[in-house]
Amino acid sequence: NAGVTQTPKFQVLKTGQSMTLQCAQDMNHEYMSWYRQDPGMGLRLIHYSVGAGITDQGEVPNGYNVSRSTTEDFPLRLLSAAPSQTSVYFCASSSQGGGSGYTFGSGTRLTVV
Amino acid sequence: SQQGEEDPQALSIQEGENATMNCSYKTSINNLQWYRQNSGRGLVHLILIRSNEREKHSGRLRVTLDTSKKSSSLLITASRAADTASYFCATEGNSGYSTLTFGKGTMLLVSP
Repeated sequence: NAGVTQTPKFQVLKTGQSMTLQCAQDMNHEYMSWYRQDPGMGLRLIHYSVGAGITDQGEVPNGYNVSRSTTEDFPLRLLSAAPSQTSVYFCASSSQGGGSGYTFGSGTRLTVV
Repeated sequence: SQQGEEDPQALSIQEGENATMNCSYKTSINNLQWYRQNSGRGLVHLILIRSNEREKHSGRLRVTLDTSKKSSSLLITASRAADTASYFCATEGNSGYSTLTFGKGTMLLVSP
């Protein structure tokens, strides 16, 4: 049972490059979210989805794009990477209602130079 | 903006002692959750307490919730070195879709 799988685990980008962070879950969860974690800031919500075809913005959406074509996958796209997007990114999923809490992936550590 | 704020920011105790972490939040909630994060790893869900509950137990964990004060506490009894981690509270709002808003966390160090 894989849970939430994030790839890659590490990535270095140059300013202006684009890339996609992958997230997949095998628990048939409706809710999926992307967070970024910066030192001393806790986790901040970037984008989230409550089901296939439905996405919405979180607290810090600028510079990121998402889509949800299937229940399993929720990729996060960086359109034009900036040093301010250097962070650790976490994907999480939950069954509808979140009564059992969220399951997190192991994270992607991104550095933009 | 951060919903939950944990207190203290850091806590250092000896094995066998109890550890208490507090969380305050600002708006009405559906539930409050606690997560653990070991260094460099993802977050692990520990326990969830609903807005109509006042106390919940899970193994060595005890969580309380006071909605009138908009606060919660996490008690870890008989701490072990393996409990060393950062602990985050997260609130799920009671309007709109289900998303979590996290605090900045408490870093717990349990020394042998």
